[in-house]
Amino acid sequence: KNQVEQSPQSLIILEGKNCTLQCNYTVSPFSNLRWYKQDTGRGPVSLTIMTFSENTKSNGRYTATLDADTKQSSLHITASQLSDSASYICVVSLNSNSGYALNFGKGTSLLVTP
Amino acid sequence: NAGVMQNPRHLVRRRGQEARLRCSPMKGHSHVYWYRQLPEEGLKFMVYLQKENIIDESGMPKERFSAEFPKEGPSILRIQQVVRGDSAAYFCASSPTSGQGRTGELFFGEGSRLTVL
Repeated sequence: KNQVEQSPQSLIILEGKNCTLQCNYTVSPFSNLRWYKQDTGRGPVSLTIMTFSENTKSNGRYTATLDADTKQSSLHITASQLSDSASYICVVSLNSNSGYALNFGKGTSLLVTP
Repeated sequence: NAGVMQNPRHLVRRRGQEARLRCSPMKGHSHVYWYRQLPEEGLKFMVYLQKENIIDESGMPKERFSAEFPKEGPSILRIQQVVRGDSAAYFCASSPTSGQGRTGELFFGEGSRLTVL
């Protein structure tokens, strides 16, 4: 069964601190892995997309890593800001155009406090 | 260039009524996907449409739910005879090409939050 597990479920950090969110998956055959940010009451917004051959990708203060061998990904947030408070969703894509090609994790809820 | 537009943002219905949720994809996008998000749950795929065609509806409940994406106008997700369990956030996403199995980008709308009393 294709699954995407994220940890921790929730996280509280002080403004300015760094944090790392984890994503483990069992999706196969793997196509790509995406991280989305979802603000409360809003739709998800893409942060990064990584294919099998990519180990790391940065988008500003966000850096995603991928280990396709161990089927693990992480999202590192540097120098956190209050606006980083959101749910971060890991999405793993099958190498298929079927409707179930995207497998969504439940997300990690991040709260950045002053 | 407007993003994916969904309306209504909030909808309240009583049990047994019908709910219609609309989604206008980004300009130039011909692929539309509908997802449902329950509280504390991840997004679940419902249906994938292209203009005038349902490509994959394997995630849609067999009864009461239907979707369309006509040649003109927005995509519509229709829920007949709503029940309390239908209460959820319904998200629409669009892409210029088939975005799910490839590296194509998916752009999400803000969602429609359905509450069934």
